[in-house]
This record gives sequence, C-alpha cells and structure tokens, in this order.
Amino acid sequence: NAGVTQTPKFQVLKTGQSMTLQCAQDMNHEYMSWYRQDPGMGLRLIHYSVGAGITDQGEVPNGYNVSRSTTEDFPLRLLSAAPSQTSVYFCASSSSLLAGGMGNEQFFGPGTRLTVL
Amino acid sequence: DQQVKQNSPSLSVQEGRISILNCDYTNSMFDYFLWYKKYPAEGPTFLISISSIKDKNEDGRFTVFLNKSAKHLSLHIVPSQPGDSAVYFCAARGYSSYKLIFGSGTRLLVRP
Repeated sequence: NAGVTQTPKFQVLKTGQSMTLQCAQDMNHEYMSWYRQDPGMGLRLIHYSVGAGITDQGEVPNGYNVSRSTTEDFPLRLLSAAPSQTSVYFCASSSSLLAGGMGNEQFFGPGTRLTVL
Repeated sequence: DQQVKQNSPSLSVQEGRISILNCDYTNSMFDYFLWYKKYPAEGPTFLISISSIKDKNEDGRFTVFLNKSAKHLSLHIVPSQPGDSAVYFCAARGYSSYKLIFGSGTRLLVRP
C-alpha cells in the first residue's frame, strides 16, 4: 500500500492563479480531509469528506473548494491564490469510526509546500 | 480561540531522561485525544491516543495521561532517545466525530 499520496511536493504560484492539489489513498478509507500547517498555529482543518459525494467545511475553508467523486481521491482547489495561502498542506484519511467512537487515527500524506507570490 | 493549546513551543531533554509534553483543552465535548509526531518534510504520524473514559494509556516508552477535571493531558516519553526529536502535536475530537482539532505543537530536542 502506498498509503496517502500527495502531488505536487512543491508549488510556486502567482497571486490570482488557480491550481489543484491532488490527494489519493489506497486504503479504502471513508474519511478524508485537508489541513494547512502554518508556523505557531498547528494544523487547521480546511475541508473534509465522510464519503464519496459528501463534503463539508472545516475551520478555514475560505478560498478553497473540494469535491469527492471517488473513495480514493480528494483534490483541493485554490480558485484564486493569495499570499495568505502560502502554507504546507496535508491530506489525511481514516477508516470509519468503530462503535463508541473509538479508533480512527488519521493517516497523513507527506505534504505539499505552496508559496504564493 | 484555540480549543487545544500546547503552551510550550519547545522542550530540550537529555537522552535517557523523561520528556513530558503538555496539552490543555477547553471544549468539554472532546472525547478522544491523540498525539502525533512530525519530522521535518514529512506528514504527521499517529503515536498514541486515549479515550475520555480512561486516565492513562501506555504503549512501550510512551504514556499518555488524561485529567478530565483539569482538561489537561500529557505525553511522557521514557527513556527519551535522540530519534524522538520531532514536533509533537496534541489533537482532540468529539464523540463520533472525525474532525480533529490540533494544538500548535511542541518541538522536542533530545540531546545525546
């Protein structure tokens, strides 16, 4: 199993450009999510999905779109990049929650480092 | 308004000694707590977790303690090894929720 894969590893954009960060997992996980990591702020949830066709907003969704057409893929789209979106982006996935809400530790991809000039 | 706080940005300990990383939370609805470890240029990896029905969970050198009345948890690493040098994130979620709320992280340096 490759686990959670993310492409590209690095990206430089100009303000106003759009792009899609790719995320795929081969563990048949229901839940997938996107986080951004900024210095001193930990990881903040952008968007998440509990299954194909179902997405919802996290803590910091503005400026980002997602869709989930398959179980495996969960791309993150930046519609019009801004310098404030310079960050490291992580995709994560997990299996369904066990009875009682236990388990479900999330597996993270290696990250995409994005710079917006 | 941070719901999960790690007030120590960094910690330095001698190899072989105990490392204690602390985490505080404000949301009483949190039911499940996790610690993740992150090396530079890699994604976070799951380390250990604890449910709110327990006050301690142990896995080898790693032990997590939960004090619900104080809304505080801690990660103990004994003995600390240089390979433990990394950033440690505390995270929490509610019952039956997938959404994790992370703290800002503590950078641990274990000196040989």
